[in-house]
Amino acid sequence: ETGVTQTPRHLVMGMTNKKSLKCEQHLGHNAMYWYKQSAKKPLELMFVYSLEERVENNSVPSRFSPECPNSSHLFLHLHTLQPEDSALYLCASSQDEGSYEQYFGPGTRLTVT
Amino acid sequence: GENVEQHPSTLSVQEGDSAVIKCTYSDSASNYFPWYKQELGKRPQLIIDIRSNVGEKKDQRIAVTLNKTAKHFSLHITETQPEDSAVYFCAAYSGGGADGLTFGKGTHLIIQP
Repeated sequence: ETGVTQTPRHLVMGMTNKKSLKCEQHLGHNAMYWYKQSAKKPLELMFVYSLEERVENNSVPSRFSPECPNSSHLFLHLHTLQPEDSALYLCASSQDEGSYEQYFGPGTRLTVT
Repeated sequence: GENVEQHPSTLSVQEGDSAVIKCTYSDSASNYFPWYKQELGKRPQLIIDIRSNVGEKKDQRIAVTLNKTAKHFSLHITETQPEDSAVYFCAAYSGGGADGLTFGKGTHLIIQP
């Protein structure tokens, strides 16, 4: 499936590094999402963008910084992460925000050393 | 915000038998309830969903029921097959901007041959 793509698929970074995750959707959707999936917790919604406007999510640490330059692209900028941030980061998109099917990307497996 | 509880965390059934996974939600305003299947190492994919104006929906071997009064919904898989082995997530959408979809913790379904 190529509707939602993510790069890189795997990433290992030190706690002092800065890296970015990229997501691209080719479905013409208006909403995009970042989720964190770890072994101990369910899929956790991190950020929602609807028509390129971010919906605030105050529970996410500032070391995660999203960017949505247009409706097809979504980035997650990472800096000074902690080992507990190691997880699978999934991007998803939907026609619009709300009760629409979300299509997930393959995810980026992030390991913080 | 919404809170979704999912049970059981692990379910093992004999091939050919039925499997039932149950979820409860807390926000009576929730109006959309999707179920996602995630095979090992793959992305979550929508298998069935139900909206609050419907009590039951069926698609071949899978069905979902919704009880709005009790605030619970269930996934039913009949005539289980080996390829049904996966982690299943329920979710609820309450219409809140920053909430998006709230997922349950997942159920690891194991089909015993």
